[in-house]
Amino acid sequence: KQEVTQIPAALSVPEGENLVLNCSFTDSAIYNLQWFRQDPGKGLTSLLLIQSSQREQTSGRLNASLDKSSGRSTLYIAASQPGDSATYLCAPTGANNLFFGTGTRLTVIP
Amino acid sequence: SQTIHQWPATLVQPVGSPLSLECTVEGTSNPNLYWYRQAAGRGLQLLFYSVGIGQISSEVPQNLSASRPQDRQFILSSKKLLLSDSGFYLCAWSPSTSQPQHFGDGTRLSIL
Repeated sequence: KQEVTQIPAALSVPEGENLVLNCSFTDSAIYNLQWFRQDPGKGLTSLLLIQSSQREQTSGRLNASLDKSSGRSTLYIAASQPGDSATYLCAPTGANNLFFGTGTRLTVIP
Repeated sequence: SQTIHQWPATLVQPVGSPLSLECTVEGTSNPNLYWYRQAAGRGLQLLFYSVGIGQISSEVPQNLSASRPQDRQFILSSKKLLLSDSGFYLCAWSPSTSQPQHFGDGTRLSIL
């Protein structure tokens, strides 16, 4: 069974700082990996999807990398803003399932 | 563009009462549909998924059931709710397994 771990569980940074969120997973036989953000009490917003054959994916200030063989992914956020405050979830995808960790709760301080 | 709708947004139900949560998708056809639950302090867990009308797969044994009576409608049900059914329920869709999943706004279910 796929186990997903996200480190750190919580992170607080001043505005403008670059930061890295880490995700590790135990089963490397994945189709792809998605990164989501979840605002309190809300649903999930898809940020990036990396196919299993890709090494990284970029969208604006976000860059996600994938090392499938070692079971690791990182989400890099450049020039963080208060609006980036949310919980970030990584989800490797199996045949018909996304496996979620408990996420990293990010707070960007103005 | 595609949109996904879930309702109700919040629900408070007594133990032993029935449940029906509805999810609909617009702007696409034959989507994969998913029901997830997020319990307090825990990650999201897939409950059911469907790749077509009347096709339901369950990932975990539980007190809930799902149905897909129409192509873009996915319903989560229970005949008798348990306290352990409390949580945040999310519906999602994707064009196929290899493509991104897109989530609704969720239903927060509290069982008293």
